[in-house]
Formats: sequence, structure tokens, C-alpha cells
Amino acid sequence: DAGVTQSPTHLIKTRGQQVTLRCSPKSGHDTVSWYQQALGQGPQFIFQYYEEEERQRGNFPDRFSGHQFPNYSSELNVNALLLGDSALYLCASSFRGNEQYFGPGTRLTVT
Amino acid sequence: AQRVTQPEKLLSVFKGAPVELKCNYSYSGSPELFWYVQYSRQRLQLLLRHISRESIKGFTADLNKGETSFHLKKPFAQEEDSAMYYCALSGTTQGGSEKLVFGKGTKLTVNP
Repeated sequence: DAGVTQSPTHLIKTRGQQVTLRCSPKSGHDTVSWYQQALGQGPQFIFQYYEEEERQRGNFPDRFSGHQFPNYSSELNVNALLLGDSALYLCASSFRGNEQYFGPGTRLTVT
Repeated sequence: AQRVTQPEKLLSVFKGAPVELKCNYSYSGSPELFWYVQYSRQRLQLLLRHISRESIKGFTADLNKGETSFHLKKPFAQEEDSAMYYCALSGTTQGGSEKLVFGKGTKLTVNP
């Protein structure tokens, strides 16, 4: 089991563009959470998906949206990119109330 | 409001010395507390959680509800302990994983 995988590893976008990040959970996990980690900060919760529905949401604007597929993989979409969206985006998967396992992250740079 | 404070951005100790990474939290309820660690070029991973009361790699952390603290301690630091450490909390789970609220992290350097 490769654990949680994320793609792409790095991404460079221009202000105003849209981006899609992908996450495959650890085998056997059914819940996916997304976090944004700005430089020098701890991860900040964006939202969580369970049974293909958004279960919890952090304090992020509607430009941030997501999706979970029947195979439990997930996408994070960000529209109308701002310079401030530059960050490391982390995906974490878990099974019910157990430990969250993190992926390696996608480094997004907005120019 | 849920908040985790790690007052030290950087912490440097010598090998064999005791180390304590501080964590204070704010939460209106009974949170679950965690320490996550990120070694160089590796992904974020769970070090320990307060409900398990385990000692992992020689580290322990005690939840002090009166002082709302969850400090991480190790009596004798090793060079391989050098890493970024994050304290985090979550609400009480009800059949699902609750969101994690992280502190800003403390970078620990253990010098030879």
C-alpha cells in the first residue's frame, strides 16, 4: 500500500486561473480531508468528504470546492486563483474516527 | 474558538539533553490532542495522541486540562529527533474523523 497519494507534486498557475488537485486515500479509508499549509504555518483545514458528501468545512471561500468519488478518491478545485492561494495542499485520509494519514502534498504556486 | 498555540518557533538542544516542546490550546469542550511530526523530506505523520497514553520514540505528552496544555517531552534528545513538530486538536468524534486544528509548529534541532 503506497499510502495516501497526491497529484501533481508541483503546479504553477496564473492569477485568475482554475486548478484541480487529486488525492487517493490509503487502502481501506473512506474519509478524505484537505488542508492548506502556507509557508511557516501549520496546516489549516479546508473541508472533509465522507460518503461522497462534504461533511465539514473550514473558513475558506466558495472558490474552494471538492468532490469525492465512489472509490473514495477526491479532488480539490480552486477557482479564480489569488496570489495568496500559493501553498502546500495536503490530503489526509482516515477510516471513521481513527488516525488521519497524510499525503506528501501538492505545492501550488500562483504567479 | 478552537486554537492551538506553540510559543516556540525554533528550539535547539544538545544530544542527550532533555527537550520539551510547548503546546497550549483553547477549546470549549473536551478535545482530543495530538502531536504530529514531519522529518526532513517526509510527510506529516502522527507521533502520539493523548487518549492512547503511549510513549513513542521516547516522547510522552500529558494533557493538563487545568492549564490547557499538552507539552511534548523527551528525557534524552537524539539527533534523529530533529524535525518539525506540530501540536493539533480535534473535537470529540462521533463515528467520523473530526477536523484537525494545528499550531504553527516548532522546529527542533538536536545538535551533536
